[in-house]
Amino acid sequence: KNEVEQSPQNLTAQEGEFITINCSYSVGISALHWLQQHPGGGIVSLFMLSSGKKKHGRLIATINIQEKHSSLHITASHPRDSAVYICAVRETGANNLFFGTGTRLTVIP
Amino acid sequence: NAGVTQTPKFRVLKTGQSMTLLCAQDMNHEYMYWYRQDPGMGLRLIHYSVGEGTTAKGEVPDGYNVSRLKKQNFLLGLESAAPSQTSVYFCASSYRRRTSGETQYFGPGTRLLVL
Repeated sequence: KNEVEQSPQNLTAQEGEFITINCSYSVGISALHWLQQHPGGGIVSLFMLSSGKKKHGRLIATINIQEKHSSLHITASHPRDSAVYICAVRETGANNLFFGTGTRLTVIP
Repeated sequence: NAGVTQTPKFRVLKTGQSMTLLCAQDMNHEYMYWYRQDPGMGLRLIHYSVGEGTTAKGEVPDGYNVSRLKKQNFLLGLESAAPSQTSVYFCASSYRRRTSGETQYFGPGTRLLVL
């Protein structure tokens, strides 16, 4: 059974801090996704990774396929980054995603 | 483009009542999904569709039925609602490209309370 674990579950940071959120999974995957769920509930996709590293603005996502681990980094965090960040994986050959329970990030001004 | 829309946004049902949740997308996506989100748990897939006229079971399909009669619409039905189906329901759609993979686009969610 595929398990997706995120850490930490909750994270509070001061504005400007560097943030790291971790995701570990247990089976072979074809892709890993990072998503952001806003306080109002809306969900948006941030990244899709199958190897290496991707960067978009202040967000950086990395994946280590051998170690079955991914990290999402936020540089120069801002209160508007406050949200739940969700990791999801697509098992090799599967049609669907398995989701982690999310990391709730609060950035204090 | 409206993206992915869901109707209704909120609903209260009594145990045993039935209802249909509507998901619509205007991006010509082949794939559509229904998820439920419960406190302390990750999103869980209920049913999905890989094209018009096709549906398949996900992780938690019991108590739900779906239909994809038109490419742009994906309906989720509850035949006899139970309190355990109290949840927030999200619809998503996507395309898949061999080179660029898949990005799922989510609707705003439907909050359902079953009394």
